[in-house]
Amino acid sequence: AQSVTQLGSHVSVSEGALVLLRCNYSSSVPPYLFWYVQYPNQGLQLLLKYTSAATLVKGINGFEAEFKKSETSFHLTKPSAHMSDAAEYFCAVRMIKAAGNKLTFGGGTRVLVKP
Amino acid sequence: DVKVTQSSRYLVKRTGEKVFLECVQDMDHENMFWYRQDPGLGLRLIYFSYDVKMKEKGDIPEGYSVSREKKERFSLILESASTNQTSMYLCASSGYTEAFFGQGTRLTVV
Repeated sequence: AQSVTQLGSHVSVSEGALVLLRCNYSSSVPPYLFWYVQYPNQGLQLLLKYTSAATLVKGINGFEAEFKKSETSFHLTKPSAHMSDAAEYFCAVRMIKAAGNKLTFGGGTRVLVKP
Repeated sequence: DVKVTQSSRYLVKRTGEKVFLECVQDMDHENMFWYRQDPGLGLRLIYFSYDVKMKEKGDIPEGYSVSREKKERFSLILESASTNQTSMYLCASSGYTEAFFGQGTRLTVV
């Protein structure tokens, strides 16, 4: 079964600094990969997705992620953090032929943005 | 705009009660899911359904059941609520790639 590991349950960045959230997956076959964001007391919103096209994926709100097969990684970055980026971020994986298209999630990384 | 709607944002129930959490999607998706979210544990899959009347257990099905009588509706049932089922419950639906989530139901069992 596939698994997802997010390094760091909490990350603190200064406003204007680089945001880097790490995600590694375990799978022998490249899966579909996703990053979701969750603001307080809300559901999850899709930031971006990798579905075996371009390895550098651009998403909403200035975020992007790069799929690296050799490292089994899909790290999320944003060049300049904004106060509105404070939220919890989840990496998720889905095998291409998974029954029901079910997603497996990492444990989440909570981002704090300091003024 | 696509929408997944959960019937309640907040619920407080007593131990031993039968609890129904309802979820409706308007995207004609085949697949629907129930997750629970707990601090430090991320999202864990309880049950999912890939067609009407079809269901499969996820990673933590104990203490839960589900019902999918119509394509757009997927219900999560706590047969006899217990305090360890206090959590945030998230419903999702998906087509071919990404999943879309509802706003969540924060359930407290007292």
